[in-house]
Amino acid sequence: QITLKESGPTLVKPTQTLTLTCMFSGFSLSTSGVHVGWIRQPPGKALEWLALIYWDDDKRYSPSLKSRLTVTKDSSKNQVVLTMTNVDPVDTGTYYCSHQSGTFWGQGTLVTVSS
Amino acid sequence: EIVMTQSPATLSVSPGERATLSCRASQSVSSNVGWLQQRPGQSPRLLIFGASTRATGIPARFSGSGSGTEFTLTISSLQSEDFAVYYCQQYDDWPYTFGQGTKLEIK
Repeated sequence: QITLKESGPTLVKPTQTLTLTCMFSGFSLSTSGVHVGWIRQPPGKALEWLALIYWDDDKRYSPSLKSRLTVTKDSSKNQVVLTMTNVDPVDTGTYYCSHQSGTFWGQGTLVTVSS
Repeated sequence: EIVMTQSPATLSVSPGERATLSCRASQSVSSNVGWLQQRPGQSPRLLIFGASTRATGIPARFSGSGSGTEFTLTISSLQSEDFAVYYCQQYDDWPYTFGQGTKLEIK
């Protein structure tokens, strides 16, 4: 059974750095072809892909956010970390991690950016 | 970036009836399209991948079709739990992109 769970701060101040962790089980990020993604959803709005990290440590970032995002993995701990620098109120929303290209999703974590 | 356009934005259908949701890609994405359902307060759930393959545990009343730039999700006989927001997604080219969603509401 594949499960994912996001964790991180619920409130972040503008200009600060946001760090989110995705803990997963039921699959290995050391297996060829496997990847984990991050997606966000502003309140009442649509979904947006942020980043992907592959089993071989290849990474993909949203072009519009590339300068602010970093994704890393620790396959031995079954976790993936997303870092977003210089956050703004427009970054408020629910952040999800997913297995592969959206096969399974975590429950999401709501992040509010406000002073 | 590939733009996914869903129509209609809102669809009102009575329980037991058929619902047809559309999604158009701004360029060909082959069959690399998925459909997801999101109920209020819940995470998205994958219904269809590869444009027409049901994900594990998805009822047979959900079906997908299309290739290239035009895709359709059909729900053959709506149940109460099907009233939700539906998103199409392309994973043919990075950045992957979602449509803006279709809200399926009870008529």
